[in-house]
Amino acid sequence: DIQMTQSPSSLSASVGDRVTITCRASQGISDYLAWYQQKPGKVPKLLIYAASTLQSGVPSRFSGSGSGTDFTLTISSLQPEDVATYYCQNYNSAPRAFGRGTKVEIK
Amino acid sequence: EVQLLESGGGLVQPGGSLRLSCAASGFTFSSYAMTWVRQAPGKGLEWVSAISTSGGATYYADSVKGRFTISRDKSKNTLYLQMNSLRAEDTAVYYCAKNMGTSTSCLDYWGQGTLVTVSS
Repeated sequence: DIQMTQSPSSLSASVGDRVTITCRASQGISDYLAWYQQKPGKVPKLLIYAASTLQSGVPSRFSGSGSGTDFTLTISSLQPEDVATYYCQNYNSAPRAFGRGTKVEIK
Repeated sequence: EVQLLESGGGLVQPGGSLRLSCAASGFTFSSYAMTWVRQAPGKGLEWVSAISTSGGATYYADSVKGRFTISRDKSKNTLYLQMNSLRAEDTAVYYCAKNMGTSTSCLDYWGQGTLVTVSS
């Protein structure tokens, strides 16, 4: 089974900071990688798919990159409304595993 | 507007069974794979099961294989998850999610979730 390892597990940054979250797959998954945002008490929301394609309606400060085993989610300028837990997901092969999540807070 | 409405959650004893339903609307149900994802209290997301557009192919996490069965009814635009031999560790909010395309695609819409509590 393919394992997804996210880091860090949590981070605290100031408004306007550039934030980077990484996700590593235990085997190559091409670009079958999605990022989701889950705000406290809310339903997960798709941010990015195919590693770097922004879902419609998602602010352009979010971006994704990577292919194969190493992937990155970047928030170019952190905003208060970005406080959430972010998950990566491999959707290439079963199990379509999620990473353990990265909790983003405002310093 | 895509809507996914889960139902069927509740309190069940260990070893018991429960069937979750997810009523879909706002899209052509038979054209998209569907997925169940769960989230234990205070924990992360766990992919549970997926089903192809036709229902002919199903996929399960190792943690539920042999105990859970996913199915779909295109006449009712409804997704199901039959859960048998439930354990305390199955306690979670269960989300129904629409795949963007086939079963090897991401999840672009999620329901509000239904809580399953397994306890004596």
